[in-house]
Amino acid sequence: DTAVSQTPKYLVTQMGNDKSIKCEQNLGHDTMYWYKQDSKKFLKIMFSYNNKELIINETVPNRFSPKSPDKAHLNLHINSLELGDSAVYFCASSQEGSPNYGYTFGSGTRLTVV
Amino acid sequence: GENVEQHPSTLSVQEGDSAVIKCTYSDSASNYFPWYKQELGKRPQLIIDIRSNVGEKKDQRIAVTLNKTAKHFSLHITETQPEDSAVYFCAASGEDSSNTGKLIFGQGTTLQVKP
Repeated sequence: DTAVSQTPKYLVTQMGNDKSIKCEQNLGHDTMYWYKQDSKKFLKIMFSYNNKELIINETVPNRFSPKSPDKAHLNLHINSLELGDSAVYFCASSQEGSPNYGYTFGSGTRLTVV
Repeated sequence: GENVEQHPSTLSVQEGDSAVIKCTYSDSASNYFPWYKQELGKRPQLIIDIRSNVGEKKDQRIAVTLNKTAKHFSLHITETQPEDSAVYFCAASGEDSSNTGKLIFGQGTTLQVKP
């Protein structure tokens, strides 16, 4: 059983298209995140949801819209894709207050915009 | 907000030698400092973490030290092996309203262990 699963694993699309990435966790965690990892490997937080409520919204273009239908799912929709959106997008979850405060990451979605 | 600086960006060591990666952070309210290992094409995975009420923590060949006064923390890997080759990330998080639960990552260190 994969703890945090993302789909798709690879996504190649043309500029201007709209695409979605899905994330699901079966750990019972309350908090989920989206991180973007650029070509230089830098991991930058984009959004965080706690129990379906948006709690972190970093400076991200409004073409990116997260949606959390329940606390086990956090999806990311991207409108009007641009070349600079090419990156690996990681979903993660955590349970605040537990001895292990760390994140569990999904396997990532490699997005290539052509 | 929090800012985490990590050095060096690349590190090459001979198998069996030790490797040290250092990070500094800016927000004195940060109190949780995990380290992640990311192998090529894989997800980052937690390898060790430390909280601000502890100065040092060890797990087999890996140890982490924290100096809260100086706001820096370090990862030490002893008796390195080729399978330690990966990108290592430090991170910091706190519990105040600005960064609750939000991990801010360093820029990463690419460690190469030569056999």
